[in-house]
Amino acid sequence: GENVEQHPSTLSVQEGDSAVIKCTYSDSASNYFPWYKQELGKRPQLIIDIRSNVGEKKDQRIAVTLNKTAKHFSLHITETQPEDSAVYFCAARNQAGTALIFGKGTTLSVSS
Amino acid sequence: DAGITQSPRHKVTETGTPVTLRCHQTENHRYMYWYRQDPGHGLRLIHYSYGVKDTDKGEVSDGYSVSRSKTEDFLLTLESATSSQTSVYFCAISEAGNTGELFFGEGSRLTVL
Repeated sequence: GENVEQHPSTLSVQEGDSAVIKCTYSDSASNYFPWYKQELGKRPQLIIDIRSNVGEKKDQRIAVTLNKTAKHFSLHITETQPEDSAVYFCAARNQAGTALIFGKGTTLSVSS
Repeated sequence: DAGITQSPRHKVTETGTPVTLRCHQTENHRYMYWYRQDPGHGLRLIHYSYGVKDTDKGEVSDGYSVSRSKTEDFLLTLESATSSQTSVYFCAISEAGNTGELFFGEGSRLTVL
């Protein structure tokens, strides 16, 4: 079945540094790749997504890149701030094409 | 926030007892999902629904059943709860299935003693 691998599991950066989280997927038919942010004790919320006909998408300090050939996509956060501290999840569709399955998450800690 | 509520938000039960978690939406979205979240495992898909009375299994469906008799309600049932089912359960809804945004409920924390 579909497998979504996410790395690293934890990431610690200094405020102002950049952070990069990477995910790989196995189903070449996947065409939608979202990223969710979950703050402590809260529900996951979509922060950015990308579709397979686009190689990169930016929204202020966050960006997502997609390499369909290599079947991986990455989340880039620039000029990190303490409020960026959270768990980040990537996702891709399952093999049946009917639901999203998630990576195991990356805990990002931004220290000031 | 999207109109999605889960109940109960917290529950403590004993091994072997049945438990039902309810997800209610006011958005009229077609797709509804149940995920569980555990440390080190992220969000894992239990069951999902793509319409009234249309449901299917996810990654970790053993020990769980679901029902969707109305568009707005998606029930998750643990017929005989086990300690391994202690988890935080999230319901999610989507208008576009696996190609659109998921809106999550606030989560239901279940503890099985």
